[in-house]
Amino acid sequence: NAGVTQTPKFQVLKTGQSMTLQCAQDMNHEYMSWYRQDPGMGLRLIHYSVGAGITDQGEVPNGYNVSRSTTEDFPLRLLSAAPSQTSVYFCASRMDGPPYEQYFGPGTRLTVT
Amino acid sequence: GDSVTQMEGPVTLSEEAFLTINCTYTATGYPSLFWYVQYPGEGLQLLLKATKADDKGSNKGFEATYRKETTSFHLEKGSVQVSDSAVYFCALTRRSSNTGKLIFGQGTTLQVKP
Repeated sequence: NAGVTQTPKFQVLKTGQSMTLQCAQDMNHEYMSWYRQDPGMGLRLIHYSVGAGITDQGEVPNGYNVSRSTTEDFPLRLLSAAPSQTSVYFCASRMDGPPYEQYFGPGTRLTVT
Repeated sequence: GDSVTQMEGPVTLSEEAFLTINCTYTATGYPSLFWYVQYPGEGLQLLLKATKADDKGSNKGFEATYRKETTSFHLEKGSVQVSDSAVYFCALTRRSSNTGKLIFGQGTTLQVKP
């Protein structure tokens, strides 16, 4: 199993550009999520999904869109990038049922200039 | 609301020293507790977990015991190696959470010197 994969690993965008961060998992997990990691802020939940066709907002959803057309994939879209979105983005997935541990991808380091 | 508090780092130890990283939590009910490790430039890896009081999670020489009475989940290792240098995160999640969110501590940087 590859686990959770993310592409790209690094990305530089100009303010106002759009892009999609890709995330895929091969563990047949229903639950997937996106976090951003910032110095001094820890990890914050952006969006999550409890299954194909079902998504919802986390604590910092503004400026990001998600969709979940398949169990495997959960892309994160930046509609109009802003410097405040410079961060490291992690995708995660987990099984339904205890202990509810989440498995993380390797991350995408995004810089918006 | 739910929260996790970790000891501030960085923690600097010599190789083969004993490691303790303190973690306390605030949450209703019986959350699941985790330790994650992040090596430089990498994602978070699950290190160990515990789901109920007095459970002991262990992996790669690391241990942590779920203490309900003190709401703690301290990470310990008897003899650290240089390769253990990383950032360690304590985290919790509640089964009843609508979002399934993991609530993380701020992370503790461990540096092990030869």
